[in-house]
Amino acid sequence: QITLKESGPTLVKPTQTLTLTCAFSGFSLSSSGVAVGWIRQPPGKALEWLALIYWDDDKRYSPSLRSRLTITKDTSKNQVVLTVTNMDSVDTATYYCAHRGAAVGTMDYWGQGTLVTVSS
Amino acid sequence: QSVLTQPPSASGTPGQRVTISCSGSSSNIGSNTVNWYQQLPGTAPKLLIYSDNQRPSGVPDRFSGSKSGTSASLAISGLQSEDEADYYCAAWDDSLNGFVVFGGGTKLTVL
Repeated sequence: QITLKESGPTLVKPTQTLTLTCAFSGFSLSSSGVAVGWIRQPPGKALEWLALIYWDDDKRYSPSLRSRLTITKDTSKNQVVLTVTNMDSVDTATYYCAHRGAAVGTMDYWGQGTLVTVSS
Repeated sequence: QSVLTQPPSASGTPGQRVTISCSGSSSNIGSNTVNWYQQLPGTAPKLLIYSDNQRPSGVPDRFSGSKSGTSASLAISGLQSEDEADYYCAAWDDSLNGFVVFGGGTKLTVL
């Protein structure tokens, strides 16, 4: 059974760096083909894909946010970490991590999400 | 502004068939498969359709997907009240080293 859970601060100040952790179980990020991604959703708005990290440490980022995002993995801890620098109010959103399915671009298992508010 | 274009809203009465469209380009839908997600109020998205027209285990066959060229559609037949949700299309985009693009979402109302 695959499960994922996001954790991190619920409130950050403008210009600060956000660090979110995705703890997962039911699969190994060292197995060929496996990947974990991050997606966010501002309140009342659409989903926005952020980043993806593969079992071989290959990474993909949203072109519009690439300069501010870093995704890393700790295979021994079954965790994936996303950092977002220079946070702004427009970054207020629920942040989800998800397991990539076998089909290209598919996210087949999602965490419950964590709401991050950016405010001074 | 989302890369994939969806109508912001759709509606139908119980038992009806509704379709939701998703329009993209040659770098995403035109060259990769389309996935659809259902997001019930206050919950995380759930994979509804993958690889254009495949249903994950547990998804009723009332839900179906199709694709033609750079456009895709989600059809829901035998509409039920519990289908009231937001629906998102998504696809891999081959440009700029590759990334996933989402549609803006369609809010489905069951009248």
